[in-house]
Amino acid sequence: AQSVTQPDIHITVSEGASLELRCNYSYGATPYLFWYVQSPGQGLQLLLKYFSGDTLVQGIKGFEAEFKRSQSSFNLRKPSVHWSDAAEYFCAVDRGSGGSNYKLTFGKGTLLTVNP
Amino acid sequence: DAGVTQSPTHLIKTRGQHVTLRCSPISGHKSVSWYQQVLGQGPQFIFQYYEKEERGRGNFPDRFSARQFPNYSSELNVNALLLGDSALYLCASSLYRGSLLSNSPLHFGNGTRLTVT
Repeated sequence: AQSVTQPDIHITVSEGASLELRCNYSYGATPYLFWYVQSPGQGLQLLLKYFSGDTLVQGIKGFEAEFKRSQSSFNLRKPSVHWSDAAEYFCAVDRGSGGSNYKLTFGKGTLLTVNP
Repeated sequence: DAGVTQSPTHLIKTRGQHVTLRCSPISGHKSVSWYQQVLGQGPQFIFQYYEKEERGRGNFPDRFSARQFPNYSSELNVNALLLGDSALYLCASSLYRGSLLSNSPLHFGNGTRLTVT
């Protein structure tokens, strides 16, 4: 069965420090991968997506993610964290018929706390 | 342009009751999906509708049903509410059915917080 694992439930970093959030997926076919961010009381905002091609994907707000097929990973990175980045981050894989239908499977999320 | 709008924002119901949640997609979007997010978990897929037809269903009991109207808005209905149905219900819309077309990302609303007592 398809699944997404985010090993870190909670991460705390200092403002200005670099960030890496881990995501591992289990999916038989070519995965369509996403990172979303959720602020308290809000819906999900798409940060970036990977469909094919270049394995390093750039997103909004200075985030990037690298797809590594050999490790079944899609880790999210940011070189310098801002206080406004504090939120919950979700990795997701689309298992909807090779991208023809939306059916996202989400990880349990990683809560990011940013210290001043 | 308005994003995905959901109503109501909060709702309190009693076990055994029925609830209807509403969603208006972004203008021009023809696909609407519903997700359930239990506290401390990631969202779980419930339904997808495209052009008024059900295109996908997650692992939810028949107490959950949905429909999409000619204007592409959607309703999620839950019958015989259980305590475990307490969650944030998220609606998402997209231009097309799936993620294959990179210019058709999934846009989420802010959700309806359902509490069952």
